[in-house]
Amino acid sequence: EAQVTQNPRYLITVTGKKLTVTCSQNMNHEYMSWYRQDPGLGLRQIYYSMNVEVTDKGDVPEGYKVSRKEKRNFPLILESPSPNQTSLYFCASSLTVGQPQHFGDGTRLSIL
Amino acid sequence: QKEVEQNSGPLSVPEGAIASLNCTYSDRGSQSFFWYRQYSGKSPELIMSIYSNGDKEDGRFTAQLNKASQYVSLLIRDSQPSDSATYLCAVLAYSGAGSYQLTFGKGTKLSVIP
Repeated sequence: EAQVTQNPRYLITVTGKKLTVTCSQNMNHEYMSWYRQDPGLGLRQIYYSMNVEVTDKGDVPEGYKVSRKEKRNFPLILESPSPNQTSLYFCASSLTVGQPQHFGDGTRLSIL
Repeated sequence: QKEVEQNSGPLSVPEGAIASLNCTYSDRGSQSFFWYRQYSGKSPELIMSIYSNGDKEDGRFTAQLNKASQYVSLLIRDSQPSDSATYLCAVLAYSGAGSYQLTFGKGTKLSVIP
């Protein structure tokens, strides 16, 4: 089954404790992206990757890191999480940048 | 900053009616346009994509694009209670130096009343 898989689905952690949210797709997609969704602010792009080893900032990259060492994986790293990064996070992928994106089920992060 | 504007709603329509959802965007060079549906607590799912001026129909859904007016819309015919969700408009534009920006609107909440 074609899918985008995020882990974990839920996480409660504390300020400053490094965490990684994994994202994997099995569709051989070139383009992958991370978003955060907050009430009243909608979906905002954090980082995206147009292919292996090619990443770029989206609208709200501060406090986040990404890497794209393999085509299928695009982890999101919070080196020193803070409460303002409490949000619902989505990973998405598409065949190329101009194509519709397939979204993962989301990761709800709470940072205390 | 590229902007995509949608009425937040809620937009309430009776079952069987036509729901009309609208979206405007700021970047005249935008290339690709998408409508996603998002149920509460779920991830967005693609409804329609449209790339050129005019109408595109898929079942009960019609997307309309007018690049001159920087306007894209989604019509839902014979609305059903299961269509009740938030509809997100997304617009892709080239932002220079080989980069592209996909910007989402904040979404319009649709409620279909039985």
